[in-house]
Amino acid sequence: DTEVTQTPKHLVMGMTNKKSLKCEQHMGHRAMYWYKQKAKKPPELMFVYSYEKLSINESVPSRFSPECPNSSLLNLHLHALQPEDSALYLCASSQVAGNSPLHFGNGTRLTVT
Amino acid sequence: RKEVEQDPGPFNVPEGATVAFNCTYSNSASQSFFWYRQDCRKEPKLLMSVYSSGNEDGRFTAQLNRASQYISLLIRDSKLSDSATYLCVVDGSARQLTFGSGTQLTVLP
Repeated sequence: DTEVTQTPKHLVMGMTNKKSLKCEQHMGHRAMYWYKQKAKKPPELMFVYSYEKLSINESVPSRFSPECPNSSLLNLHLHALQPEDSALYLCASSQVAGNSPLHFGNGTRLTVT
Repeated sequence: RKEVEQDPGPFNVPEGATVAFNCTYSNSASQSFFWYRQDCRKEPKLLMSVYSSGNEDGRFTAQLNRASQYISLLIRDSKLSDSATYLCVVDGSARQLTFGSGTQLTVLP
């Protein structure tokens, strides 16, 4: 069982919808991440929060908006997505950013229609 | 040159075989190295960290070669359940963990 919990597991949304992905960890980790993964490709870093502050945004389009309400929670707000945004969205946490191992949630499989 | 490079495979080996994967990295200042395994349509799971002196966990052995800037993963006595994609992860120039492209392993009965 994963110690990083993501909801929902699956999400289908239209291009005009607004939805949010949620992630929670209770391991006391101070870094949290969003990754996007397409089929047969490695995870691609989107955002890093370190001590609840956004420290890295890998030039992600503004239709993706991250939020870190507290040290245990991470959200990804989605608005006006494109079909090419369909992918597996993975949340991860680590003790600190940069050099400690990542612990992934089960992911949200997103389909944009 | 990519920061982290892996042979994508696929590697198809019979049960009981020994198989090894390499992963090269470009940043000589890298300090943190990991191997992850990812099953189809699942999240990556940490398999093992890689330490300077090399480390072993059951049938799995990880090694680091700083001079040639690569890490390796050796799997002995392969099982059907070892079939997965193996991802190496290295801290890169931006002090963030960087994934290799993954090596696909299929263990055949």
